[in-house]
Amino acid sequence: ETGVTQTPRHLVMGMTNKKSLKCEQHLGHNAMYWYKQSAKKPLELMFVYNFKEQTENNSVPSRFSPECPNSSHLFLHLHTLQPEDSALYLCASSQGGGAPSSYNSPLHFGNGTRLTVT
Amino acid sequence: AQSVTQLGSHVSVSEGALVLLRCNYSSSVPPYLFWYVQYPNQGLQLLLKYTSAATLVKGINGFEAEFKKSETSFHLTKPSAHMSDAAEYFCAVSGAPNFGNEKLTFGTGTRLTIIP
Repeated sequence: ETGVTQTPRHLVMGMTNKKSLKCEQHLGHNAMYWYKQSAKKPLELMFVYNFKEQTENNSVPSRFSPECPNSSHLFLHLHTLQPEDSALYLCASSQGGGAPSSYNSPLHFGNGTRLTVT
Repeated sequence: AQSVTQLGSHVSVSEGALVLLRCNYSSSVPPYLFWYVQYPNQGLQLLLKYTSAATLVKGINGFEAEFKKSETSFHLTKPSAHMSDAAEYFCAVSGAPNFGNEKLTFGTGTRLTIIP
């Protein structure tokens, strides 16, 4: 089992659909992240969870709704998306926890979900 | 505030030649610096990181990077390119040792192509 697993790998949805992206990590990490990767733009941090608590919401539109039921699972619920939301959505995890030794611990990424909004 | 600039969105080198990918950063505090690599259809993977110890940092797959404070640079090099090095490379900066990954700023990436 790879460290960070994302499903589905590809998703095509209409603007009125509701879908969810799933991320699971088997690394024993305490922090999980959602990133958006669009062509020719820097990686954009969307949300951060540390010990299941959301610690960062980077001004993400409410049509993206994260959920973190435990330290191993992270979801991104999608509804009423726009075509410009089409991108690669990457989940990542890191040691987290808040101790200084965990700051800037490496991010471990999943392979992403390629989302196309039609 | 912090930022990172990767010079050259595309770099092509011949197999066996030197690889040099450029990264310049801006940070108001001593930075932590990272290089990540993304192979096709995969997520990002850490190559190496600088955390204020040795200025020359060795990473995986024969890559290394040198922190030069006077030039605000953290360029990535590999002496001899291999076909398997073809990927996209991202430089990233974190503003301070006491900031977590939520403060990590990525560059726009450099796509490395290896010519047989």
